[in-house]
Amino acid sequence: DARVTQTPRHKVTEMGQEVTMRCQPILGHNTVFWYRQTMMQGLELLAYFRNRAPLDDSGMPKDRFSAEMPDATLATLKIQPSEPRDSAVYFCASGLGGQGRIQYFGAGTRLSVL
Amino acid sequence: AQSVTQLDSQVPVFEEAPVELRCNYSSSVSVYLFWYVQYPNQGLQLLLKYLSGSTLVKGINGFEAEFNKSQTSFHLRKPSVHISDTAEYFCAVSESRDDKIIFGKGTRLHILP
Repeated sequence: DARVTQTPRHKVTEMGQEVTMRCQPILGHNTVFWYRQTMMQGLELLAYFRNRAPLDDSGMPKDRFSAEMPDATLATLKIQPSEPRDSAVYFCASGLGGQGRIQYFGAGTRLSVL
Repeated sequence: AQSVTQLDSQVPVFEEAPVELRCNYSSSVSVYLFWYVQYPNQGLQLLLKYLSGSTLVKGINGFEAEFNKSQTSFHLRKPSVHISDTAEYFCAVSESRDDKIIFGKGTRLHILP
């Protein structure tokens, strides 16, 4: 049963530390999305890639967040330095794009910045 | 720009009663529409989708939704809910020219015994 894998599932860190979240998309999928979920803002799109190329990162605070796809099996989201307001659940999703465009979500990384 | 409005943040309903979760969207071009469900401590999973064709779409777990272009709505319905339907439900829209999906704020469905 193919699924999107996110690591770690939980992360507690102190303000100012670097945080790296990883995502393994479903094999063969050509689009990858990063979302942030909070009670106040709901589900926000941070960035997305098609065929490993970044297409839109307008939802991401550029000064501290960065997203990359070093290869087709790995997507990363980094926060440096982290702040308490970054505390949220971060989801990765992958899909085939085009008319199908169903997105398959990972279980998320719950980040707490103290 | 596209947007999605879910009119109810929470909906309580008795077990075995029918339920409707409301969703309205805004877009200047043709759209694809989705409903996703999120169970506690899990990611979102697809319930159903409308891409084209019949405006009545059937999904998993007995849910269905109807696309109404004139009212720009895509309401989700189930004739008889079960305690296992307790979850948060997200309506989402994607413009046909784009891979991005914009999600609504979600509706929390509470099933009362």
